[in-house]
Amino acid sequence: QSVLTQPPSASGTPGQMVTMSCSGDSGNIGSNYVHWYQVVPRMAPKLIIYKNNQRPSGVPDRFSASKSGSSASLTISGLRSEDEADYYCAGWDDRLNGWFFGGGTKLTVL
Amino acid sequence: QVHLVESGGGVVQPGRSLRLSCVASGFTFKNFAMHWVRQAPGKGLEWVAVISSDGRSQYHADSVTGRFTISRDNSRNTVFLQMSSLRIEDAAVYFCARDASFLGTGGGFFEHWGQGAVVTVAS
Repeated sequence: QSVLTQPPSASGTPGQMVTMSCSGDSGNIGSNYVHWYQVVPRMAPKLIIYKNNQRPSGVPDRFSASKSGSSASLTISGLRSEDEADYYCAGWDDRLNGWFFGGGTKLTVL
Repeated sequence: QVHLVESGGGVVQPGRSLRLSCVASGFTFKNFAMHWVRQAPGKGLEWVAVISSDGRSQYHADSVTGRFTISRDNSRNTVFLQMSSLRIEDAAVYFCARDASFLGTGGGFFEHWGQGAVVTVAS
């Protein structure tokens, strides 16, 4: 069982908005930043959100995220076919002294 | 432009050893912590290890502690992952990633990634 919990799947049609969650506890998300990664098969993971809600340059503003307590969420608005990928949240755990990823959410654009 | 190139992957028998390398360019290597992250076939991302910018601090995932060791050579802009007593479940694509900080713990994140090196463990 992952330290960070994500729903295994999400879906939406082009133009829609989709939100995916990431749940942890006081040792990880509750006391540290959350970051989000997009993984397309056979490609290197890509950072899309860092420090809870910051977008790296080049990431469209359709991607947004937030954190509240020990949970976080990633929202993609104006869904596009190229957004179809696996999305992972990640964070440092102070009690376990390590980094942890959620199990990943597979986003399907219908 | 940050560039990370992994090498050293291959096919190895269970119980044997392998050393991965990651050569970095496009930034001042000695100023940033470095990670190894892996993804087994059909599985999610799993963090493996991190080493601070000066090499003095390392953390390893419980699943590899005692078997894998991360190290770095700042004179060669290279980070290594020495893997020993390899198991079937260690088979994965191993990514090298640069942290945004010099420590590589809670204040940082995996900012840049390499393309990965494939490790196959099979008899």
